Amino acid sequence: AQSVTQPDIHITVSEGASLELRCNYSYGATPYLFWYVQSPGQGLQLLLKYFSGDTLVQGIKGFEAEFKRSQSSFNLRKPSVHWSDAAEYFCAVGNSGGYQKVTFGTGTKLQVIP
Amino acid sequence: ETGVTQTPRHLVMGMTNKKSLKCEQHLGHNAMYWYKQSAKKPLELMFVYNFKEQTENNSVPSRFSPECPNSSHLFLHLHTLQPEDSALYLCASSQGGVSGNTIYFGEGSWLTVV
Repeated sequence: AQSVTQPDIHITVSEGASLELRCNYSYGATPYLFWYVQSPGQGLQLLLKYFSGDTLVQGIKGFEAEFKRSQSSFNLRKPSVHWSDAAEYFCAVGNSGGYQKVTFGTGTKLQVIP
Repeated sequence: ETGVTQTPRHLVMGMTNKKSLKCEQHLGHNAMYWYKQSAKKPLELMFVYNFKEQTENNSVPSRFSPECPNSSHLFLHLHTLQPEDSALYLCASSQGGVSGNTIYFGEGSWLTVV
């Protein structure tokens, strides 16, 4: 069965500082990997996704993530955090079937301080 | 604004009521999903419809009854709910029939059972 672990429940960073959110997955084959962001009271917005190819993936809002098969990781990074990045971030792994049976991590809540 | 629209955004219902959540997607997708998001729990996949056929039912209690009349609309009929069913219910869609496609979420319907 596929699973996702986000070890950090809550992270606080200063505005302008760099950010890395950790994600480890378990999946029997080549995974489809996603990062979503959720602002309070809102649905989930896709930040980026990895299906194949270049292991460094660029997303929206200046985010990037790197797929490391040897470490079963897909960590999300941003070089300089803005106050508007405060939200909850979800890593997810999907299957390769005809529809997406996506399993989500428990999320990491990001707080940005001035 | 997303391509997946959910109504109502907020719903308060008594345990003996019958209500429905509605989802409409404008993305031309063929797969639609209901997820449940409770506090301090990972997103839980409830149901999947692929080309209008229900393909996943993750042991959801029968007090939740989905309906997918066509590829653009998805309903979640609610009856005799319990207070623990209070949560954010997220609808999503993806391009069915093709592997590795992204799921796009609506903004959710906040349900409170009193």
